[in-house]
Amino acid sequence: AQKITQTQPGMFVQEKEAVTLDCTYDTSDPSYGLFWYKQPSSGEMIFLIYQGSYDQQNATEGRYSLNFQKARKSANLVISASQLGDSAMYFCAMREVSYGQNFVFGPGTRLSVLP
Amino acid sequence: GAGVSQSPSNKVTEKGKDVELRCDPISGHTALYWYRQSLGQGLEFLIYFQGNSAPDKSGLPSDRFSAERTGGSVSTLTIQRTQQEDSAVYLCASSLAGQGVAGELFFGEGSRLTVL
Repeated sequence: AQKITQTQPGMFVQEKEAVTLDCTYDTSDPSYGLFWYKQPSSGEMIFLIYQGSYDQQNATEGRYSLNFQKARKSANLVISASQLGDSAMYFCAMREVSYGQNFVFGPGTRLSVLP
Repeated sequence: GAGVSQSPSNKVTEKGKDVELRCDPISGHTALYWYRQSLGQGLEFLIYFQGNSAPDKSGLPSDRFSAERTGGSVSTLTIQRTQQEDSAVYLCASSLAGQGVAGELFFGEGSRLTVL
């Protein structure tokens, strides 16, 4: 079974609007971390935001916020005020303590920001 | 440099040849990961090193793939008898240990392997 599911292969958003990228995960480990990475066409992997399973509040980093719904096992990334430079692949990832801290990535969502 | 360094950045080889890809992690990072990314695809986990512990090799796709990490720092991923399906970008990442589930991965720029 897939540990990380990203159901949106591609998304379009108008510049300056907000967009939500979906991520659901599967784990029985009570302790885990959730991460979002951005990969522009240049290929580099850029860390965006982190959410711990025990964190009470949703994580925020500038224009990025993580909508963490633990009971539903979802960790959606919200990008506010989209910019043309946000066009990239976005990967959701999870690290579980009980799996030797292996980092598992989802298949990614390609976001295109339209002018 | 301060980041994860990978070499070569590009490698073109003939089918059947062996290749070695090198990763130099951030100084002080005890965790090191190798991933493979085929064109337009996600990241496929290959192998994970943590300090002096036995590596997690569960992601290596075949016995043609091996990796070692010398002195807890530099790692080499070796692919023997390369096949065309090995063509991909090989990404190395490192992270600090002792942070539980926190602590993001820092990635290198990757080694693009093309097998003709």
